Amino acid sequence: AQSVTQPDIHITVSEGASLELRCNYSYGATPYLFWYVQSPGQGLQLLLKYFSGDTLVQGIKGFEAEFKRSQSSFNLRKPSVHWSDAAEYFCAVVGGGTASKLTFGTGTRLQVTL
Amino acid sequence: GAVVSQHPSRVICKSGTSVKIECRSLDFQATTMFWYRQFPKKSLMLMATSNEGSKATYEQGVEKDKFLINHASLTLSTLTVTSAHPEDSSFYICSARDRRGYNEQFFGPGTRLTVL
Repeated sequence: AQSVTQPDIHITVSEGASLELRCNYSYGATPYLFWYVQSPGQGLQLLLKYFSGDTLVQGIKGFEAEFKRSQSSFNLRKPSVHWSDAAEYFCAVVGGGTASKLTFGTGTRLQVTL
Repeated sequence: GAVVSQHPSRVICKSGTSVKIECRSLDFQATTMFWYRQFPKKSLMLMATSNEGSKATYEQGVEKDKFLINHASLTLSTLTVTSAHPEDSSFYICSARDRRGYNEQFFGPGTRLTVL
């Protein structure tokens, strides 16, 4: 069964600092990987996704993520964090097939200090 | 493109009543829709997968008689919480997958249910 681990429950960074949110997945074949962001009381917004091809994926709002098969990781990065980036971030994996169920990590709450 | 709406965004009801939540794909056809439940400060828990024109597939531990799902068309799925109780209070989020089969789900904005 597929699974996703986000080791960091809560991260605090200063505005303007760089950010890296960790995500490790477990799946037997090549996964489809996603990063979503959720503001309080809101739905999920897709930041970026990886299906195949270039392992460095660019997303919206200046985010990027790198797929590393050898490490089973798909870490999210941003070179300079803005206060508006404070939110909950979820990494997710789809194993493929007709069911295509998304499995979410437990999320990382990002706090940005001014 | 790929917009999913949910209605209502917030609902408060009395214990014992039933509540219906609608999930619509506005600009694409969705053969498959998913319903999630999210507890405060927690991740999303998949409740069920609904396919247009067929019965929903529920995840283990989800009461199908409590959470009725109907996916009557390619753009609409409904979740009815029957005989709601305070423990059913939660944030419910739906998602839809394009009928073209892309492995990506588009999420609705969620519905906050509070049962008094």
